[in-house]
Amino acid sequence: EAQVTQNPRYLITVTGKKLTVTCSQNMNHEYMSWYRQDPGLGLRQIYYSMNVEVTDKGDVPEGYKVSRKEKRNFPLILESPSPNQTSLYFCASTTSGPSADTQYFGPGTRLTVL
Amino acid sequence: GQNIDQPTEMTATEGAIVQINCTYQTSGFNGLFWYQQHAGEAPTFLSYNVLDGLEEKGRFSSFLSRSKGYSYLLLKELQMKDSASYLCAVSGGQNFVFGPGTRLSVLP
Repeated sequence: EAQVTQNPRYLITVTGKKLTVTCSQNMNHEYMSWYRQDPGLGLRQIYYSMNVEVTDKGDVPEGYKVSRKEKRNFPLILESPSPNQTSLYFCASTTSGPSADTQYFGPGTRLTVL
Repeated sequence: GQNIDQPTEMTATEGAIVQINCTYQTSGFNGLFWYQQHAGEAPTFLSYNVLDGLEEKGRFSSFLSRSKGYSYLLLKELQMKDSASYLCAVSGGQNFVFGPGTRLSVLP
């Protein structure tokens, strides 16, 4: 089944404790992206990747890192999480960048930073 | 800058028709997407417009006017399960920009 998976689905952590949220897709998509979703603000892009070893900042990259060593994986790293990073996070992928093809979203990761 | 606007909330009655508007100003334009998102779930694709005009897909239709930076999503024969948020998104340049979403409540 074609899908985007994220882990963990739920995470409660404390300020400053490094964490990684994994994202994997099995559709051989080149473009992958991370979003955060907060009430009233909609989906905001954190980072995106056009292909392996190519990553770029989105609209809200501060406090986050990403890597794209393999085509299928695009982990999101919070080196020192803070309470303002409490949010619902979505990973998404599409064939080859913003074009006619839709993005496929993972199920979401609800992160709480205390 | 990049900006997408949608109404925050709308209410409609089961069986009725509702139109959700979206206006946008973006630095690039490859197309406009509409997604449906139920609370706590991932967005799912509804429609895509790249040329001006109306695209129809069953109970859902989407319209685009590039010169006006305007789109709408039309939902016909509303059902209770259509209660959800509807997200307008523009693809342009190297990224996607989403609007804040419109929360639609369908009442019996």
